[in-house]
Amino acid sequence: AQSVTQLDSQVPVFEEAPVELRCNYSSSVSVYLFWYVQYPNQGLQLLLKYLSGSTLVESINGFEAEFNKSQTSFHLRKPSVHISDTAEYFCAVSDLGGGADGLTFGKGTHLIIQP
Amino acid sequence: DTGVSQNPRHKITKRGQNVTFRCDPISEHNRLYWYRQTLGQGPEFLTYFQNEAQLEKSRLLSDRFSAERPKGSFSTLEIQRTEQGDSAMYLCASSLGHLNTEAFFGQGTRLTVV
Repeated sequence: AQSVTQLDSQVPVFEEAPVELRCNYSSSVSVYLFWYVQYPNQGLQLLLKYLSGSTLVESINGFEAEFNKSQTSFHLRKPSVHISDTAEYFCAVSDLGGGADGLTFGKGTHLIIQP
Repeated sequence: DTGVSQNPRHKITKRGQNVTFRCDPISEHNRLYWYRQTLGQGPEFLTYFQNEAQLEKSRLLSDRFSAERPKGSFSTLEIQRTEQGDSAMYLCASSLGHLNTEAFFGQGTRLTVV
């Protein structure tokens, strides 16, 4: 079984400032790692994912996340945030065994961008 | 194709009544998932189908919960004898193949049990 910890329930940050949303996971097996974003009144959307290879993965809108196996972390970063980044961000893991357990999500971090 | 569609968007029911939710996945997606999300929590996995086969259902919350996907297309989630603790957002997602492909989520059905 896996678990995901997102320590920050809310992160307020000023527009154009950098941000880091923290995610730590626990698993007895190798996992895939994901960040999903939920904008107000919309469904969850995949932001980026780590499957294998380079430990640094990027999204099309400037977010990046780095897989750190020794620290079991997959923190999400953006060097300069915009008002439009205001949303709930969920870190998730799945095992490599075919998805029988689905995705295990963290509790989410609400990113609040202040003008 | 407009993505994963869930109906109804909102449902208010009295305790003890049965409710059924529908999910229409993206048409070519063979995998379909149900999740429950309560306030302040991330989505919690309930069950999933590959085509019409329900491959995992041990995570359904109780025997009052059941799901079907009779023809491998749309799916229904039924809750019998609803309780106030069943109040939550019920999410459906679909994907093509393994979970390392993107799962597309619907906007959910919000259930309120009074």
